[in-house]
Amino acid sequence: LAKTTQPISMDSYEGQEVNITCSHNNIATNDYITWYQQFPSQGPRFIIQGYKTKVTNEVASLFIPADRKSSTLSLPRVSLSDTAVYYCLVGVPSYQLIWGAGTKLIIKP
Amino acid sequence: DGGITQSPKYLFRKEGQNVTLSCEQNLNHDAMYWYRQDPGQGLRLIYYSQIVNDFQKGDIAEGYSVSREKKESFPLTVTSAQKNPTAFYLCASRPGVGSYNEQFFGPGTRLTVL
Repeated sequence: LAKTTQPISMDSYEGQEVNITCSHNNIATNDYITWYQQFPSQGPRFIIQGYKTKVTNEVASLFIPADRKSSTLSLPRVSLSDTAVYYCLVGVPSYQLIWGAGTKLIIKP
Repeated sequence: DGGITQSPKYLFRKEGQNVTLSCEQNLNHDAMYWYRQDPGQGLRLIYYSQIVNDFQKGDIAEGYSVSREKKESFPLTVTSAQKNPTAFYLCASRPGVGSYNEQFFGPGTRLTVL
């Protein structure tokens, strides 16, 4: 099962672009990379998922280099409401995912 | 409104008592999951079910039990055998096809043992 490493915490300011990088050196061929967002005392919310190159949706972009040993979640023009914990998960299927402690992102005014 | 509901939001239990946490979904999803989250930690899988009348143990199933008699419902019982049950419990569901790891989570139940 692929283990991930991501920063414990990050700070940024409103209106900035935030990039959170996740390292997953032992990713397997069939593994997908998935990111979730969690606010305090709430369930996580799916943000984005990808396998290779770049994926973009209305909320974020996910960049995956060719070797797939890392990935970067990009949040454009963050606001205070983006303050949350962000989890990077690698694997498939869902019941084999390992949830680390995530990255606590704090957005300042 | 489609979604997942969990009840109650807060639950207090005396040591030695069994308690059941409710999880209901009207998303017509096949798979359902129960997770436990301790402060500052990620989620840990307790049980999962991919189809009605079938469920599998996750990483920390000891002291817990589940049933899946209906597609919409996946209740979790925390038994007295669970030595440290105080935690935040999350239920999730996932459609049978589509995005591999996109789970939909409920609002959670915070269980406190007195």
